[in-house]
Amino acid sequence: KAGVTQTPRYLIKTRGQQVTLSCSPISGHRSVSWYQQTPGQGLQFLFEYFSETQRNKGNFPGRFSGRQFSNSRSEMNVSTLELGDSALYLCASSLQGLTDTQYFGPGTRLTVL
Amino acid sequence: AQSVTQLGSHVSVSEGALVLLRCNYSSSVPPYLFWYVQYPNQGLQLLLKYTSAATLVKGINGFEAEFKKSETSFHLTKPSAHMSDAAEYFCAVSAIADDKIIFGKGTRLHILP
Repeated sequence: KAGVTQTPRYLIKTRGQQVTLSCSPISGHRSVSWYQQTPGQGLQFLFEYFSETQRNKGNFPGRFSGRQFSNSRSEMNVSTLELGDSALYLCASSLQGLTDTQYFGPGTRLTVL
Repeated sequence: AQSVTQLGSHVSVSEGALVLLRCNYSSSVPPYLFWYVQYPNQGLQLLLKYTSAATLVKGINGFEAEFKKSETSFHLTKPSAHMSDAAEYFCAVSAIADDKIIFGKGTRLHILP
């Protein structure tokens, strides 16, 4: 079974731009969650989607948004990028949700200049 | 509300020695507890998880953790460290009644030859 894939793997943007990251879950997994990983803040939960609905959300500003498609693929969008948004963005998929084992992708490294 | 504290951002042990990584949690409802490992430039991989079935949980690669409710702890151990265990380890907590997953700041494990 193929693992979680994320595209692109690396991205460089400038302040004020917007960015869209993509995540393809493991086949059969309906839950996709997103995380931001930085050296200072560690790994922080952004949001979770299940069957195309946002089910849970972390403490991030509205500039961070996402969506999930009928095939469970998910996208995350960050608008009006700030320097502090530079991070590794990880997505994970699971069968049932946040109390289930999360299967992580390799991440997208976003650098904001 | 939930929280996770991992004691020690860096831990060094000699090859063949006992590995002990500490994790304390707080949760107002029965928790689900996880240990994940992250190798350089990769996503996270589940080592083991506690879901109330048994207090001593065995995971992959010889790791195990014991859930101690009275101490609100879920420490990770391995009897004999191997060079390949060098990585960053994350403890995480979630709960059915809650809508988030919280990760600890992580502990980087160094193995000394």
